Amino acid sequence: DTGVSQNPRHKITKRGQNVTFRCDPISEHNRLYWYRQTLGQGPEFLTYFQNEAQLEKSRLLSDRFSAERPKGSFSTLEIQRTEQGDSAMYLCASSLEGQGFSPLHFGNGTRLTVT
Amino acid sequence: SQKIEQNSEALNIQEGKTATLTCNYTNYSPAYLQWYRQDPGRGPVFLLLIRENEKEKRKERLKVTFDTTLKQSLFHITASQPADSATYLCALLLSGGYNKLIFGAGTRLAVHP
Repeated sequence: DTGVSQNPRHKITKRGQNVTFRCDPISEHNRLYWYRQTLGQGPEFLTYFQNEAQLEKSRLLSDRFSAERPKGSFSTLEIQRTEQGDSAMYLCASSLEGQGFSPLHFGNGTRLTVT
Repeated sequence: SQKIEQNSEALNIQEGKTATLTCNYTNYSPAYLQWYRQDPGRGPVFLLLIRENEKEKRKERLKVTFDTTLKQSLFHITASQPADSATYLCALLLSGGYNKLIFGAGTRLAVHP
């Protein structure tokens, strides 16, 4: 179990640019989640994948945001035409569907700063 | 409206004492309530889960209680240590959910030697 890996750890971009983040979940986990966290707040749910299928998207996820999980392995989160309000920590988590409860395993996030 | 409330002010306690953190919620009917620890610059780490039909759960120095009538959970750390200093998040998993967690804002705990 090597844990959930997120890259890059930090990203500074200018307003209007596009950015893409990558998440590598724990290898046997079939569920993958993206959350966003701003300073002093708890993580807010953005979207969820079961294998390669994106099953739910939060209303927080505007049409500038898109997430993919090709082949049910790693996932990418792209933000187009970034705005200063997009500055936050973007967290990825994974879990294993099965009998009983499976906790979420979070990565250490990608901190985005939009200038 | 639906809310999860945790003490926004930091909790400062002396090493060896018991830390008690509170999580209150309104207009939710959670199937599970979970507690996570988060260190600065890191992702949350799962600590404990308690189900709606359970009153109390323990794990080593940690204890969680869950009162669905009061809509409140208490999280206790006994014999606290400076290494316990972190932000503690409570999270609700709603009935029928697939691990979509709703998080509180967290309470920062500082344990002083």
